[in-house]
Amino acid sequence: GENVEQHPSTLSVQEGDSAVIKCTYSDSASNYFPWYKQELGKGPQLIIDIRSNVGEKKDQRIAVTLNKTAKHFSLHITETQPEDSAVYFCAASSRDDKIIFGKGTRLHILP
Amino acid sequence: DTEVTQTPKHLVMGMTNKKSLKCEQHMGHRAMYWYKQKAKKPPELMFVYSYEKLSINESVPSRFSPECPNSSLLNLHLHALQPEDSALYLCASSWMRTSGQTSYEQYFGPGTRLTVT
Repeated sequence: GENVEQHPSTLSVQEGDSAVIKCTYSDSASNYFPWYKQELGKGPQLIIDIRSNVGEKKDQRIAVTLNKTAKHFSLHITETQPEDSAVYFCAASSRDDKIIFGKGTRLHILP
Repeated sequence: DTEVTQTPKHLVMGMTNKKSLKCEQHMGHRAMYWYKQKAKKPPELMFVYSYEKLSINESVPSRFSPECPNSSLLNLHLHALQPEDSALYLCASSWMRTSGQTSYEQYFGPGTRLTVT
């Protein structure tokens, strides 16, 4: 089945700098890649997603890139702010119609 | 509006109790999901309902019993739980269930924090 690896597990960046989180997937049939942000005590919030027919997608300060050949996809957050501190999960669709999550990245924005 | 609501926010129950978790969405979504999330882990799929019918059961123990009374409501009935069942229980919904080449955005509720004593 599908397997999603996510790195790093923890990331600390200075406020105003950029943060990059990387994921790889194993199943070449996966075609949908959402990213979720989870703040303490809350449910995961869908922040951006990308489908396999697109290489890049941007929404204000966040962007996602997809390399189908290498089976890599990444989340980029620019001009980071304190409210960006959270756990971020990447995910990929699977052949058996489920969403498989990476293990998460805890992002700390340092003042 | 992409809101999924869940009640209660917190629940403490003994191993002999029976309780229920409730989830509601009014987005017209036809697929609803239950996930379990342990601390510092990603959500793990438990059940998927599509058009009010159970379509995926991830080999969940029978002490968890899902129910979908209508297209807006999803319940999870709990009975004879174990302390290791303590976790955040998340409900999600999507326009339709992911199928073949088509995947739909899943929107999560805030979760119910369950503690089994």
